[in-house]
Amino acid sequence: QSVLTQPPSVSGAPGQRVTLSCTGNSSNIGGGYDVHWYQHLPGTAPKLLIYRDSFRPSGVPDRVSGSKSGTSASLAITGLQAEDEADYYCQSYDYRLRASVFGGGTRLTVL
Amino acid sequence: QVQLVQSGAEVKRPGSSVKVSCKASGGSFNRDALIWVRQVPGQGLDWMGGIIPKFSKTNYAQKFQDRLTITTDASATTLYMELSSLRSDDTAVYYCATGGALIPADWYFDIWGRGTLVSVSS
Repeated sequence: QSVLTQPPSVSGAPGQRVTLSCTGNSSNIGGGYDVHWYQHLPGTAPKLLIYRDSFRPSGVPDRVSGSKSGTSASLAITGLQAEDEADYYCQSYDYRLRASVFGGGTRLTVL
Repeated sequence: QVQLVQSGAEVKRPGSSVKVSCKASGGSFNRDALIWVRQVPGQGLDWMGGIIPKFSKTNYAQKFQDRLTITTDASATTLYMELSSLRSDDTAVYYCATGGALIPADWYFDIWGRGTLVSVSS
């Protein structure tokens, strides 16, 4: 059971906008620690999508965006494409655990 | 850009240890932080721990504290993860990754290895 809670699944039709949530508490996201997001296809290397809440690494399209407010963070994907179907994980730091933590992950299905 | 090349799949007996390596292609890592993450079949990514090679400082998840050792070689070209007292529920794909922050609270990771399957079975 992770200290960062993500919905197990989210789905959307091609072209739609979806939002994936990551909810923490005062010892991690609410404590001001940055949130980072990864895309993962099982059997492949995870890919960094968003770092420091809202920054995109080079090569990540601008239809992917991140935000944070209070004890939660969100990843938004607009213009949904079949290639977006994957597992998505948030990551932050927890000062009580004194370690990084991942959320449980959200499986995004493109209908 | 550096690429991370991990060692091959391992099959281990319960109670034994495994040591997985992660080599920077083309030379040293030249990054501030190196970490290990695992994925048990059917589950999500699980943070294990990391090292800051410049200071030889490690940071471990509490659940692995007693049986995990993360090291680099003297030339900082290879990262190692040794997990002892293996159990069947340690069967997982183990990933190495690297990032550019010195402080664990700032860690995020933009370069990842492709994973090493460790199977634990009697």
